[in-house]
Amino acid sequence: AQSVTQLDSQVPVFEEAPVELRCNYSSSVSVYLFWYVQYPNQGLQLLLKYLSGSTLVESINGFEAEFNKSQTSFHLRKPSVHISDTAEYFCAVSDGHAGNMLTFGGGTRLMVKP
Amino acid sequence: GAVVSQHPSRVICKSGTSVKIECRSLDFQATTMFWYRQFPKQSLMLMATSNEGSKATYEQGVEKDKFLINHASLTLSTLTVTSAHPEDSSFYICSASPQGVAYEQYFGPGTRLTVT
Repeated sequence: AQSVTQLDSQVPVFEEAPVELRCNYSSSVSVYLFWYVQYPNQGLQLLLKYLSGSTLVESINGFEAEFNKSQTSFHLRKPSVHISDTAEYFCAVSDGHAGNMLTFGGGTRLMVKP
Repeated sequence: GAVVSQHPSRVICKSGTSVKIECRSLDFQATTMFWYRQFPKQSLMLMATSNEGSKATYEQGVEKDKFLINHASLTLSTLTVTSAHPEDSSFYICSASPQGVAYEQYFGPGTRLTVT
């Protein structure tokens, strides 16, 4: 069985400040890791994913996440946030089997203040 | 590419009636589709997994007779909430996995169901 823990339910931050959203997972097998973003009243959009290879993965809008196997973490970072980054962020894990089932963390609400 | 649509985006229905929500993969074929439920300020809860042409697999605690899922083709899955009650009010999100891809899910925009 897999589980995902997002330690912070809310992260308030000022515009242009750096931010880190934490994600830890547990699994007995190799996993694929994902970060999704959800804007109000919308579905989820894939932000970035780790499947294999380089442990540092980047998105097109400045976010990055690093897979750390020893710490079973996949923290999301951005060096300078914008007001438009305000949203709910979900970390998820899949073992690539079981019908591609995703296990989601509880979500972290990023609130960017001017 | 990899667009998933849901219809309707919002629906209000009276208690006791049934509501059907459609989930379509617009530009790919989806062997597997997933249905999630999301309560305000909470994470997504997987309700069921459906594979084209076979019965859906429901998660523990989800009533299969209340939440009817049909996956009749590789591009369409439907969720019917039967005899809806106010406690069924929620945000329902579907996702679809492309045929032959082991790790991708593409999400629909969600359907807001309000039962009065």
